[in-house]
Parts: sequence; C-alpha cells; structure tokens
Amino acid sequence: DTGVSQNPRHKITKRGQNVTFRCDPISEHNRLYWYRQTLGQGPEFLTYFQNEAQLEKSRLLSDRFSAERPKGSFSTLEIQRTEQGDSAMYLCASSDRNTGELFFGEGSRLTVL
Amino acid sequence: GQQLNQSPQSMFIQEGEDVSMNCTSSSIFNTWLWYKQDPGEGPVLLIALYKAGELTSNGRLTAQFGITRKDSFLNISASIPSDVGIYFCAGLTSGTYKYIFGTGTRLKVLA
Repeated sequence: DTGVSQNPRHKITKRGQNVTFRCDPISEHNRLYWYRQTLGQGPEFLTYFQNEAQLEKSRLLSDRFSAERPKGSFSTLEIQRTEQGDSAMYLCASSDRNTGELFFGEGSRLTVL
Repeated sequence: GQQLNQSPQSMFIQEGEDVSMNCTSSSIFNTWLWYKQDPGEGPVLLIALYKAGELTSNGRLTAQFGITRKDSFLNISASIPSDVGIYFCAGLTSGTYKYIFGTGTRLKVLA
C-alpha cells in the first residue's frame, strides 16, 4: 500500500495524559499536513511541513500540541496534558509537489475521557 | 478556524437523480479540490481544479471552477446508493499551501 498511513487508528486516553500520533506520507510527497476534524465539521488546518521545515501553524495549535518531521519523511503529532476538548479525528495528508493534490490517511481518532 | 460555505448542508435524493452542490468563499482561490468522506475514514480526493472556468469530470462526477474564482460546483449524475457520504470542497489561495475546507454536504440516497 503506497498511500498515507496513520497510526494508531484509535486512541482512548484519560485527561492529562500525553498522546502521540504518527503519519507516514506518500514517499515522493514533500509536503505533509495535519488537520483536526470534529463531528459534523470539515477538516481544520493545524500545521504543514515542507520537507523537514514546519512552515505554518494554526492558532488552533496550542502550546500543548507539537508536530515534528525530523528527516522530512514521517511526522509525529504529540498532544500533552490532553483535555476532553481534544477529542477529535486527527488527519494527516501529503501533497504531490507537481499538482498540489492533497491525499489523506485514514485518520487517528482520539477520545479523551 | 476558517471554513468555506457549502450548500446544501444535507440532501436526500432518489437513486438515479442528479445532484448539485456548491462551495463559496469571500476570498479568491487558485485551486479547488473536492473530496468524499465515509464515516470513520479519511477524505478521498475526487477532482482537482486549477483554472477559472475549468470543467473536469471523473466518471459520473463533474466539477467546475467558478469564473469569479470564489466558488466551485460539484455535480453527480445518476446517483447510486454508494454515493452516500459527506462531500467536502477545499480551496487554496495564492501565497500559501494551506488548504481551507468547506463545512460539507451530507448526501443520502433513497433506493
């Protein structure tokens, strides 16, 4: 399978715990994105990387959120001291450098109890 | 966060009917993407548009890039039960690679 891969697909955690999600983009794509989606809403932009550089971050990304893409390949999104309001689907996408088409993974669903 | 307006929010249609939905923005976009999302899954790219006035088809789906560059349209012809899902538009303005998504149109098909 050469699509965008995310894991874990589901994560249930208690409030205050830290969680980390991983995304493996399509191999030849240089841009990688993180979005958050809550029930009934469209995906909301969190951040994106071009190679290993994080070029833009949303104001939605509070200090408790950090994303990395250390070698310009896979990326991680960490949420520290989770809150119930962090419960959402976290979507990763990568884009083709020539067409700009954005391809999503299956998402990582977070439930904070 | 910022989201584009999609219309209608939801619709029920009979199998075999044609469907139209649109996406509007107050900003000018230079790329439009259309996606379909099934419950619990990530969005799947359907069509990409790059020029004002462009009309692009993918099977029974046809999308258009509005000439004002502030809107886009998606049509589905002869709907079938597997067309059920949520359709999202996404737009890209110049000077950024940040795609903004619409609020979604939920499609339900009555067999």
